[in-house]
Amino acid sequence: SQQGEEDPQALSIQEGENATMNCSYKTSINNLQWYRQNSGRGLVHLILIRSNEREKHSGRLRVTLDTSKKSSSLLITASRAADTASYFCATDLTPDTGRRALTFGSGTRLQVQP
Amino acid sequence: GAVVSQHPSRVICKSGTSVKIECRSLDFQATTMFWYRQFPKQSLMLMATSNEGSKATYEQGVEKDKFLINHASLTLSTLTVTSAHPEDSSFYICSATQGAMNTEAFFGQGTRLTVV
Repeated sequence: SQQGEEDPQALSIQEGENATMNCSYKTSINNLQWYRQNSGRGLVHLILIRSNEREKHSGRLRVTLDTSKKSSSLLITASRAADTASYFCATDLTPDTGRRALTFGSGTRLQVQP
Repeated sequence: GAVVSQHPSRVICKSGTSVKIECRSLDFQATTMFWYRQFPKQSLMLMATSNEGSKATYEQGVEKDKFLINHASLTLSTLTVTSAHPEDSSFYICSATQGAMNTEAFFGQGTRLTVV
């Protein structure tokens, strides 16, 4: 079953604008990760934020994590047409479960218009 | 970052035949690999966790006799879709992690399976 829900499901913006995607999850986590997927391709890791972190930056990416609300956001600043892709959040589960696989959110399809 | 190679990228097969998909970690040893399935415009659904030298752990609802997983070495896991049917048509993706649980996962390029 899906751990996370993402919104919006689809987002269309103009080049240069910022894009914000949100992810909510249900269980405790060790970390939360964001991945990008171009159509028909594998996933590329973007950023990992640990449960004791609140914000993290990587280039034009900014990720926040609110464990009290069980939510995270991904902000892409100054978007480019090449940012067009689907973006997924993924969570691990706490060691108590013994589970190591990532559980993915429903994804946000981002379209950046040139 | 580490590289995971998945092959083939696309395959078309006839109903009733079997298809094998390979997932290789090229520059690291992966004691655990994961197989996911993805339908169009949907998220990735975990099918099974593949452990080197032992039986795979399947998620609820995934038929182990239909989706055979073999992880014979630290760098290779295979998924065989047996007696394929059109409803098995999907995008299959493998991933692997290096070492500890709290690290990023590296994904293969995915395999688009079409059963006709």
